[in-house]
Amino acid sequence: DVVMTQTPVSLSLAIGQPASISCKSSQSLLGTSGKTFLNWILQRPGQSPKRLIYQVSKLYSEVPDRFSGSGSETEFTLKISRVEAEDLGVYYCWQGTHFPYTFGAGTKLELK
Amino acid sequence: EVQLVESGGGLVQPGRSLKLSCLASGFTFSNYGMNWIRQAPGKGLEWVASISSSSSYIYYADTVKGRFTISRDNAKNTLYLQMTSLRSEDTALYYCAILGGGYWGQGTLVTVSS
Repeated sequence: DVVMTQTPVSLSLAIGQPASISCKSSQSLLGTSGKTFLNWILQRPGQSPKRLIYQVSKLYSEVPDRFSGSGSETEFTLKISRVEAEDLGVYYCWQGTHFPYTFGAGTKLELK
Repeated sequence: EVQLVESGGGLVQPGRSLKLSCLASGFTFSNYGMNWIRQAPGKGLEWVASISSSSSYIYYADTVKGRFTISRDNAKNTLYLQMTSLRSEDTALYYCAILGGGYWGQGTLVTVSS
C-alpha cells in the first residue's frame, strides 16, 4: 500500500500568515494515464471533508486562489498564501492513483 | 447541487450485520464511480471500498474484504454498503463520496458494541 506522510502534524498561525504542508508518498503517484492523482481536502471541525485541490495543483472552482498545490512523483506541497479564519481544520492529502486509496494522517491548522 | 445523504447507521452488536445506504441527487449518478470512506472517532480517514459506474469494477480495503459488500442501484440513485461480521474496530462515521469529483456526504455513524 502507498503510505502518505504529512508534515507537520499541526500548525499554529496568525491570520494573514502563509502556511505550507508537505505530503510525501512511498511510491510514485504518476499513473499510467500520465496523470498524478494527488488530492487535498479540508475537514473543518464537526464537518465532513471538503474538496480543495485535485491532480496535484488544480483548484476546484469554489476554492479561493490563496490555496495552491505543487509537486510531482512522491513529494507534494499545499500552500496557503495568507491564512484566514475559515481555513482552520485538518488538511488531508490522499492518493487515487493506486488501490487501495490512502490518506495522510492529517495536518491540523489552528489559529494563533 | 450535488447531494449525498447516508443512512442506515446505528448501534449493532459484534458479529452482526448492517446495511448502509447513500441517496444521491443533483448529478447523473450512473456516470460516476462511488466510494465509501470511514473515520473512526477522533481519527483520520480510511478508504473502505469503491465501485465503478456500471458496477464492473469493485475494490475493497483489506480490513473489510470478505465482510463488506459495496453495490449500487443506478435506477434508484443509491449506493449501498452491506456490512457483516462487524467488529468493534469497524466503529466509525461512514462517508459516501464521489472522490473523483470531490463530493462527500455528511456521514452515518456505525457503533459496534455489546
